[in-house]
Amino acid sequence: AQTVTQSQPEMSVQEAETVTLSCTYDTSENNYYLFWYKQPPSRQMILVIRQEAYKQQNATENRFSVNFQKAAKSFSLKISDSQLGDTAMYFCAFFDPLEGDKLIFGTGTRLQVFP
Amino acid sequence: GAGVSQSPRYKVAKRGQDVALRCDPISGHVSLFWYQQALGQGPEFLTYFQNEAQLDKSGLPSDRFFAERPEGSVSTLKIQRTQQEDSAVYLCASSPRGVANTGELFFGEGSRLTVL
Repeated sequence: AQTVTQSQPEMSVQEAETVTLSCTYDTSENNYYLFWYKQPPSRQMILVIRQEAYKQQNATENRFSVNFQKAAKSFSLKISDSQLGDTAMYFCAFFDPLEGDKLIFGTGTRLQVFP
Repeated sequence: GAGVSQSPRYKVAKRGQDVALRCDPISGHVSLFWYQQALGQGPEFLTYFQNEAQLDKSGLPSDRFFAERPEGSVSTLKIQRTQQEDSAVYLCASSPRGVANTGELFFGEGSRLTVL
């Protein structure tokens, strides 16, 4: 069974600085998708960024980028120029098209951005 | 509506009571998912609908949990004879065509269930 591991329960960063959140996963499949979701205190989760495993190029969305290391099964999220609004829980998620239509989430990393 | 709407936002039930949680997905979204998020944990998959068809219910923890989406729009998650371990936030999410096509689930704000 696929698993997703986020080893950093909490992280903090000063406003305007850069922070990297770690995620590792376990799968024997070659074709899959990886996601980072953000869950602010209001609880509504929103997609931050996605990566298709067959794409070698790392995904980027404005201040958010990933470091996808397929062989190492690592998928870290880098947040540049951190803003107070980035304070939230961040969940790494895995999707295997052969396992139906469900996302498998990690346990999350709580990110606090300080002024 | 503009987003996924869930009700009630908060529910307190006595052990043994039945509860019903409602999800109103984004209009036109084919796929609908229920997740359970325990305190301090990531969401865990419960069940998935494509239109009115329940294609996967492998995550439902027991036969006390039942979900339906009779007209392919609004969905209800019912928990019978609630137990304390059912206390969690229940998240509903919808997607236009499924995870693989869009890579994005649109989540509601969740229903927090507390069983005393």
